[in-house]
Amino acid sequence: QQPVQSPQAVILREGEDAVINCSSSKALYSVHWYRQKHGEAPVFLMILLKGGEQKGHDKISASFNEKKQQSSLYLTASQLSYSGTYFCGTERWDSGAGSYQLTFGKGTKLSVIP
Amino acid sequence: DAGITQSPRHKVTETGTPVTLRCHQTENHRYMYWYRQDPGHGLRLIHYSYGVKDTDKGEVSDGYSVSRSKTEDFLLTLESATSSQTSVYFCAIRTGNSPLHFGNGTRLTVT
Repeated sequence: QQPVQSPQAVILREGEDAVINCSSSKALYSVHWYRQKHGEAPVFLMILLKGGEQKGHDKISASFNEKKQQSSLYLTASQLSYSGTYFCGTERWDSGAGSYQLTFGKGTKLSVIP
Repeated sequence: DAGITQSPRHKVTETGTPVTLRCHQTENHRYMYWYRQDPGHGLRLIHYSYGVKDTDKGEVSDGYSVSRSKTEDFLLTLESATSSQTSVYFCAIRTGNSPLHFGNGTRLTVT
């Protein structure tokens, strides 16, 4: 089942902050975040495992609320290079398949303008 | 990118013809995946493999088959291509709970 991302799109001026949310109706093992620039492959940003941890990468950080099955990606002091589409991927145990399944949301298009 | 190569990068084919896309890795990763990406739908899993000759269906597997006879190669076949299969196809590799590493994609157009 696809996680739900919000907002679908956001426009920022350089230096502004943004939050992208990702929620699932299923119990999750982990949440992945990727960024994709136009015409390129998605690139890994970070993984958050269940346990409510928060991670950071430069001025991009994320949190995972295991109880609510929600994750948020925080972009602070945005730069032009942050532009792209951000995808969350939620991972859960699929008993039918006998393996972990990673399912992506539809993405959030972030545009940073000067 | 280093470690994973998709071929061809672009292909135009006619409705009803068979098409095979290839994903080749040099990382010896156990897991390999095929996704399709369409506007408004994000990345959707077609099939995945968890070892040689071990494959399983994803959420949009109808009309697609896969094979993995060697660790390094994962093939995606459209037995009879349809216009609805026009898309960008990404292969990805992974070991255990590590991040997915994506190939550069194959843009397929079915006319």
